[in-house]
Amino acid sequence: RKEVEQDPGPFNVPEGATVAFNCTYSNSASQSFFWYRQDCRKEPKLLMSVYSSGNEDGRFTAQLNRASQYISLLIRDSKLSDSATYLCVVNKAAGNKLTFGGGTRVLVKP
Amino acid sequence: DGGITQSPKYLFRKEGQNVTLSCEQNLNHDAMYWYRQDPGQGLRLIYYSQIVNDFQKGDIAEGYSVSREKKESFPLTVTSAQKNPTAFYLCASSMSTSGNYEQYFGPGTRLTVT
Repeated sequence: RKEVEQDPGPFNVPEGATVAFNCTYSNSASQSFFWYRQDCRKEPKLLMSVYSSGNEDGRFTAQLNRASQYISLLIRDSKLSDSATYLCVVNKAAGNKLTFGGGTRVLVKP
Repeated sequence: DGGITQSPKYLFRKEGQNVTLSCEQNLNHDAMYWYRQDPGQGLRLIYYSQIVNDFQKGDIAEGYSVSREKKESFPLTVTSAQKNPTAFYLCASSMSTSGNYEQYFGPGTRLTVT
């Protein structure tokens, strides 16, 4: 089993709709979690950290479910500019070595 | 502006040649990292460094070497021993390797070896 797994998609989303997707992780000792956004042929950029209580940043909501070992990202009122690959990133318990998922591709269409 | 710079953006080399990729940061971060990304794949850790003059192998270190002589700089050499060097190389930095600090990435170098 991969340490961090994501549905590669693509998720085809009508503009204005809501889309949500999950990421599962295998190490129950993982301590911190992030969502990064990567545009085509660009570097990943931090979208948001994921806190135990869940957190929201504008149209983006991240949740952590430790019992089932997954994190989720929900995008409301999707914009064309939200089209990107969303990388799930998990920090192992020891040190700050991040493990990246393969990414979920989201395509927002008019 | 604070950030991470990588140069060059595109690099072409002949098989059998060593090549060095540059990474510089002015964020005053202690930790620096090198990743490789292949088309449609996630990032894989090559090497990382927690402090000057110290570095550790990541998951795919074979065929690569690094140095960390200055806090700001963490160059990566892709040697001729690396069997599939063509890839997108990303450098990152974070405040520390302890705790839960997010990493920030440079714009990357696309290396093509023929």
